Amino acid sequence: DAMVIQNPRYQVTQFGKPVTLSCSQTLNHNVMYWYQQKSSQAPKLLFHYYDKDFNNEADTPDNFQSRRPNTSFCFLDIRSPGLGDAAMYLCATSRDRSSYNEQFFGPGTRLTVL
Amino acid sequence: AQSVSQHNHHVILSEAASLELGCNYSYGGTVNLFWYVQYPGQHLQLLLKYFSGDPLVKGIKGFEAEFIKSKFSFNLRKPSVQWSDTAEYFCAVIPTGGSYIPTFGRGTSLIVHP
Repeated sequence: DAMVIQNPRYQVTQFGKPVTLSCSQTLNHNVMYWYQQKSSQAPKLLFHYYDKDFNNEADTPDNFQSRRPNTSFCFLDIRSPGLGDAAMYLCATSRDRSSYNEQFFGPGTRLTVL
Repeated sequence: AQSVSQHNHHVILSEAASLELGCNYSYGGTVNLFWYVQYPGQHLQLLLKYFSGDPLVKGIKGFEAEFIKSKFSFNLRKPSVQWSDTAEYFCAVIPTGGSYIPTFGRGTSLIVHP
């Protein structure tokens, strides 16, 4: 089945220790998104790629970076995680840049910062 | 910028009860509307969507939603809930005028008691 895969499902890191979350997709979609989701809050878009074009949200901290080496993979790098970065991180894809496209989500990576 | 409000944050029902979850958005133009569901331990997935035409749309698992343009609302309904409907429900809106990024509501947690 075509899907969005995130690894790991659970990540524990120490305060200030860099961490990388990964996302892969078999849908061959052009757009990939990274969201941060905290309890009882709406998913917050951090950034997204349309193909290789990177689009950063204005309020995404510099601590968060992303890479998309090819169509299938996208990475979220947190350079110096703080306690406030503990959250669920969701990867999503959509076929193209259209308001008619639904998003397809991965299962998420739950990040704990000690 | 548009915003999405889901006023019911937590809903607890018994099986066979009727369900209505509210979703209101603020945006003056035309929008596409989505409801996503996240079952425990699973990824967010599309429940139903509305683009145009009949304002009453039907989705999977007996869910339906009604778009009322004058009220800027897109409420989700199900006549008789089941224990397996226990999940988190998210409303999302995308303006049709060139955007493709959804704005999500904060979600409603539904617990159905058997």
